Amino acid sequence: SQTIHQWPATLVQPVGSPLSLECTVEGTSNPNLYWYRQAAGRGLQLLFYSVGIGQISSEVPQNLSASRPQDRQFILSSKKLLLSDSGFYLCAWRRRENSPLHFGNGTRLTVT
Amino acid sequence: EDQVTQSPEALRLQEGESSSLNCSYTVSGLRGLFWYRQDPGKGPEFLFTLYSAGEEKEKERLKATLTKKESFLHITAPKPEDSATYLCAVQSYSGGGADGLTFGKGTHLIIQP
Repeated sequence: SQTIHQWPATLVQPVGSPLSLECTVEGTSNPNLYWYRQAAGRGLQLLFYSVGIGQISSEVPQNLSASRPQDRQFILSSKKLLLSDSGFYLCAWRRRENSPLHFGNGTRLTVT
Repeated sequence: EDQVTQSPEALRLQEGESSSLNCSYTVSGLRGLFWYRQDPGKGPEFLFTLYSAGEEKEKERLKATLTKKESFLHITAPKPEDSATYLCAVQSYSGGGADGLTFGKGTHLIIQP
C-alpha cells in the first residue's frame, strides 16, 4: 500500500530564517505531487505541483519555492521566512489526473 | 476560475440526528468532485469521488450525492466519532487536470452525545 511521510510535524522559526519541509511517498512510482497551505478560515490553497522529477509548477507567486530531486520526494523551501508564511502545510500525491489526492499529516509552521 | 462554496460553516447535532452538508460548485466542466474528512491537526482523509450528476456513493453512515450544481453529504444517525471538518473539492477540465483540486472552506461538524 502507499504511504506519504511529511516532516517535521511542527516547526517554529524566526522571521528571516530559511525553511525546508520534506515529503516522501512510498509504494508507488511517478506520482503527481502537491504542496498546499491551509490557513484558518481560508481553506486549502494550492502552492506547487509536480508531474515529474525537476518539473515544478507554481500556482501562487510568493516567498516559497519547491523542488523534486527524486521521483517520490518533494521539498518546500524558503530563503527568508515572513510572518505571513505561518500556516499548516500539507503535501499530497495522486497516481494520475482526476484521481483523489492523498494527504500527509501536515506541518504546522509558526513564524515568530 | 473554479469556485466551491460549502454550507453551513458549522453544524452541531445531537447523536442520532441526521442532516446534510452542502457543496455548491462553479467549474468550467466538472471532471470530479471529492469529499474529505479532516480531524484537528491532521491531513484530510479521502472519502468519496463523484464523477457525474445522479451518482451516489455510501460509506457507513455517510452518503454523497451529486447534481449539476451541487453535492450533498448526508449523515445518517451520526455518532460523536463523526465529528470533524468535512471538505469538498472539485477537479475541472481547465488547466489540464494535473494542477490539483479546488477546495471549499469546509463544514465543521460537531456531534454531541
